Amino acid sequence: KQEVTQIPAALSVPEGENLVLNCSFTDSAIYNLQWFRQDPGKGLTSLLLIQSSQREQTSGRLNASLDKSSGRSTLYIAASQPGDSATYLCAVNDWTSGSRLTFGEGTQLTVNP
Amino acid sequence: DAGVTQSPTHLIKTRGQQVTLRCSPKSGHDTVSWYQQALGQGPQFIFQYYEEEERQRGNFPDRFSGHQFPNYSSELNVNALLLGDSALYLCASSLGDGVRSPLHFGNGTRLTVT
Repeated sequence: KQEVTQIPAALSVPEGENLVLNCSFTDSAIYNLQWFRQDPGKGLTSLLLIQSSQREQTSGRLNASLDKSSGRSTLYIAASQPGDSATYLCAVNDWTSGSRLTFGEGTQLTVNP
Repeated sequence: DAGVTQSPTHLIKTRGQQVTLRCSPKSGHDTVSWYQQALGQGPQFIFQYYEEEERQRGNFPDRFSGHQFPNYSSELNVNALLLGDSALYLCASSLGDGVRSPLHFGNGTRLTVT
């Protein structure tokens, strides 16, 4: 059974800092890995989708990497801003679970002005 | 281009009652998945509908059932509500199985069972 873990559970940083969020998964036979952002009481916004054949994806100040063999992904946020404050969730889509996503519990990020 | 829309946004029910939640997928999408998110947790997969049939199901009891209509919209029904059913219920849509393209989520329905 796939298990996804995110570290740290919470992170507080000053504005302008570069930061890294970590995600690990137990079954490396994945189709893809997706990073989401969730604002309080809201739904999920897809940030980046990395297919199993890819090693990284970039969108603006965000960069996500994938190391399938070690079961790890990182989300790098450059020059953080207060508007980046949210919960960040990683989810994997693997061969045994078909098209459903298995989520981690998220990292709650606070960027202080 | 309307994204995924869910209704209602909030709902309060009493233990033992039944509830129906609704979801309209993003335009052009034909697959709908439902997730339950308890406070402080990651979303848990409930089931997925494609071509009006349940294609896949997570580890949820039969009290949870669903339906997909010909226009691809979907309903989630929960019978005999328990206090533990209180959660944010998220609907996600995709084209096909959603493996090669990202899922698009709605803003969810917040269900409170008292």
